[in-house]
Amino acid sequence: QVQLQQWGAGLLKPSETLSLTCAVYGGSFSAYYWTWIRQPPGKGLEWIGEINHSGSTSHNPSLKSRVTISVDTSKNQLSLRLSSVTAADTGVYYCARGAVVTPYDYWGQGILVTVSS
Amino acid sequence: QSALTQPPSASGSPGQSVTISCTGTSSDVGGHNYVSWYQQYPGKAPKLMVYEVTKRPSGVPDRFSGSKSGNTASLTVSGLQAEDEADYYCSSYAGINNLLFGGGTKLTVL
Repeated sequence: QVQLQQWGAGLLKPSETLSLTCAVYGGSFSAYYWTWIRQPPGKGLEWIGEINHSGSTSHNPSLKSRVTISVDTSKNQLSLRLSSVTAADTGVYYCARGAVVTPYDYWGQGILVTVSS
Repeated sequence: QSALTQPPSASGSPGQSVTISCTGTSSDVGGHNYVSWYQQYPGKAPKLMVYEVTKRPSGVPDRFSGSKSGNTASLTVSGLQAEDEADYYCSSYAGINNLLFGGGTKLTVL
């Protein structure tokens, strides 16, 4: 059974850097792409970006300059860093297994990140 | 790029069928078959219900079915049950290294 467990800081001030980690348990980490998706409060889902085991990444064009997605294959973990956050970055952040051309079949529990001064 | 267009709400009585639409362009929904649908309960992570327009993952009831015509994809829920009341989101590949979600549809079982 594949499980994704997320952790990271939930409260940030404007201009700080968001940092989240997602650990994958079960299944093959190297056989899949892994993705970050976010959801502002009361709103829809937004694709942030994806990465594979070799570190090949792609990002949402609207966030690209602020987003860094990395992977640690020795720990079966992926990480997200989003710099210069504002209130508009507030929301629940999910990690998921899948890519832009494959379905997201396993999801983390989600982490609520709030940006407030 | 803009999100895919979904109706904000849909409803039906138990046992009825309801269809939720997801409209995009020829660059996303209409251009290929990488369209998926997700069900989300409040406070929970989304769950994959349909992928590649018509395919269902193991464990998803066959009451859920997907289809596509031109730039519009649809999710049909037949034989509505109380447990189907949730938010539903479509997604579509939108070109190299890009994915779009719909704005979501709140399905109410009357």
